[in-house]
Amino acid sequence: GDSVTQMEGPVTLSEEAFLTINCTYTATGYPSLFWYVQYPGEGLQLLLKATKADDKGSNKGFEATYRKETTSFHLEKGSVQVSDSAVYFCALSESGAGSYQLTFGKGTKLSVIP
Amino acid sequence: DSGVTQTPKHLITATGQRVTLRCSPRSGDLSVYWYQQSLDQGLQFLIQYYNGEERAKGNILERFSAQQFPDLHSELNLSSLELGDSALYFCASSVATGSGNTIYFGEGSWLTVV
Repeated sequence: GDSVTQMEGPVTLSEEAFLTINCTYTATGYPSLFWYVQYPGEGLQLLLKATKADDKGSNKGFEATYRKETTSFHLEKGSVQVSDSAVYFCALSESGAGSYQLTFGKGTKLSVIP
Repeated sequence: DSGVTQTPKHLITATGQRVTLRCSPRSGDLSVYWYQQSLDQGLQFLIQYYNGEERAKGNILERFSAQQFPDLHSELNLSSLELGDSALYFCASSVATGSGNTIYFGEGSWLTVV
């Protein structure tokens, strides 16, 4: 079945540091890939998405590129802020399966310190 | 604000009891999803409805059931509750059911079983 593996946390960075959160996936077809973010005490918010190979999703300074050859969708940000502290979830949605629910990774908690 | 509304936000109940969680999807969205988020299991897909009909089932227990009404709102019924059912239950919605469709999440309903 489909699965998503993302790097274990927690990750602690200083403000303005470079962020990478690794995400790899296993899927039988051609999935769409997503990053969701969950701020403390809140629900899940879509951060960015990519629907086909080599697409780059971007939002709020975050970027991720759909790499089919390495089955990866790593999240990056050049300069993190304290307000980026949250849990980040990588997810996929499989096409051709008849239904398109999201399969999530376990989440990576990011803490950014001033 | 995602536009997905869930009630109640918090709920405390005793073992053996039954509760109903309610969800109003974003205006125009036909597809509704339910997810469970717990510390040990992460984010687990429970069930999906599309325009009133069940579309997919995930790791939903037999004690749990859901439905989507003609006005497209949905309810998740949890019965014979156990301590292990304590979790954050998310409802989500999307316009359709294609893999590239963005799925928007509500803020969740916190269920505590004591």
